[in-house]
Amino acid sequence: GAGVSQTPSNKVTEKGKYVELRCDPISGHTALYWYRQSLGQGPEFLIYFQGTGAADDSGLPNDRFFAVRPEGSVSTLKIQRTERGDSAVYLCASRYLRGSAYGYTFGSGTRLTVV
Amino acid sequence: AQTVTQSQPEMSVQEAETVTLSCTYDTSESDYYLFWYKQPPSRQMILVIRQEAYKQQNATENRFSVNFQKAAKSFSLKISDSQLGDAAMYFCAYRSAELNNNAGNMLTFGGGTRLMVKP
Repeated sequence: GAGVSQTPSNKVTEKGKYVELRCDPISGHTALYWYRQSLGQGPEFLIYFQGTGAADDSGLPNDRFFAVRPEGSVSTLKIQRTERGDSAVYLCASRYLRGSAYGYTFGSGTRLTVV
Repeated sequence: AQTVTQSQPEMSVQEAETVTLSCTYDTSESDYYLFWYKQPPSRQMILVIRQEAYKQQNATENRFSVNFQKAAKSFSLKISDSQLGDAAMYFCAYRSAELNNNAGNMLTFGGGTRLMVKP
């Protein structure tokens, strides 16, 4: 597609429920990143994929968070047993050239609200 | 680990005037990249300007320019002739230039500055 697509745009869920957030990167972009942006703060790194594998998942806050990218394109961020503190905007970005400093394209994010 | 600090939570500027947003960072690396991103209410991060640390010349993109002070680890953004459409959140970001370091592939963001433009 022309840009990075994230669905849903907004998600409200009850505490304790399971949610999946989807990121559809630009076609051909090999690198994919997930960030979490809490209210009034800058985005914080969660996980980075190079192709199908998670090259760096050091930003995942705990084992309730998991992400996959099985075919090297679409990625899904999965959150189990959601907590109110998980409420944030989850941003996805993709990039074409490994090692290139430029070319990050961000999606518009999913705003997750846990009630 | 690298950190990025934006000390101005909010800034206000009159339309057509000039405003400067501050950013400082901490790193032990000598080669890296610095960015300014704009985030409007649509939430999508839009690249405003970028700077390579090895370049002494400050980057310029139309009305946007930076003052990069490597020794002071300072990277401020100047917006000239401010327009109503410039109103948004602005984030300073850092990226390592170490290609074989997985952590070098991610951006580290500051906490942001909300810019308001008065007509």
